[in-house]
Amino acid sequence: GAVVSQHPSWVICKSGTSVKIECRSLDFQATTMFWYRQFPKQSLMLMATSNEGSKATYEQGVEKDKFLINHASLTLSTLTVTSAHPEDSSFYICSAGRGAIFSNQPQHFGDGTRLSIL
Amino acid sequence: GQQLNQSPQSMFIQEGEDVSMNCTSSSIFNTWLWYKQDPGEGPVLLIALYKAGELTSNGRLTAQFGITRKDSFLNISASIPSDVGIYFCAGLNTGTASKLTFGTGTRLQVTL
Repeated sequence: GAVVSQHPSWVICKSGTSVKIECRSLDFQATTMFWYRQFPKQSLMLMATSNEGSKATYEQGVEKDKFLINHASLTLSTLTVTSAHPEDSSFYICSAGRGAIFSNQPQHFGDGTRLSIL
Repeated sequence: GQQLNQSPQSMFIQEGEDVSMNCTSSSIFNTWLWYKQDPGEGPVLLIALYKAGELTSNGRLTAQFGITRKDSFLNISASIPSDVGIYFCAGLNTGTASKLTFGTGTRLQVTL
């Protein structure tokens, strides 16, 4: 069964709205979670690493003020797309691994959130 | 960011045929992973490889970790319609905060 849950699965909203996406590890604690963005017919691109109890680490080119990440507990990370615009429309996917950070335990992915900004 | 090169980009095969796809990198990884993604869903882990030269099977799937640590291949035997999807390789180095680097993907279509 699923080990990482993501909610909501689909969001349609007006330009200028802020949207929050939740990612939960269901049967394990995850000190680190990852957020990806995937455009149609493309691969997954890492946006940021979410660290429980500390600031997220963003990949080059990803605006930290645009994509707010909060990892308040060992089983929940949230991504908030602030003041979303049509170019932010994409498929957002989170992942978490059972092992500690720097381990080689494979990550498990949520089912993704399709965000459509009108 | 860096992406791994996967080939072929897409494949159209008949049910029952075997499939082979590979993934190459310009840099070394100490873990290779293969995922399958269905439309509108997140990737699902198929096989994890941890040692250079390692050959691992999961049902009809077989994957190998290249001896140079810069490549990996995935074989699917006797394909069935539910094998349709996009297959991604991913490389991982434990010294990089467990961050995955994904391949460009291989889209598999299976015809009856």
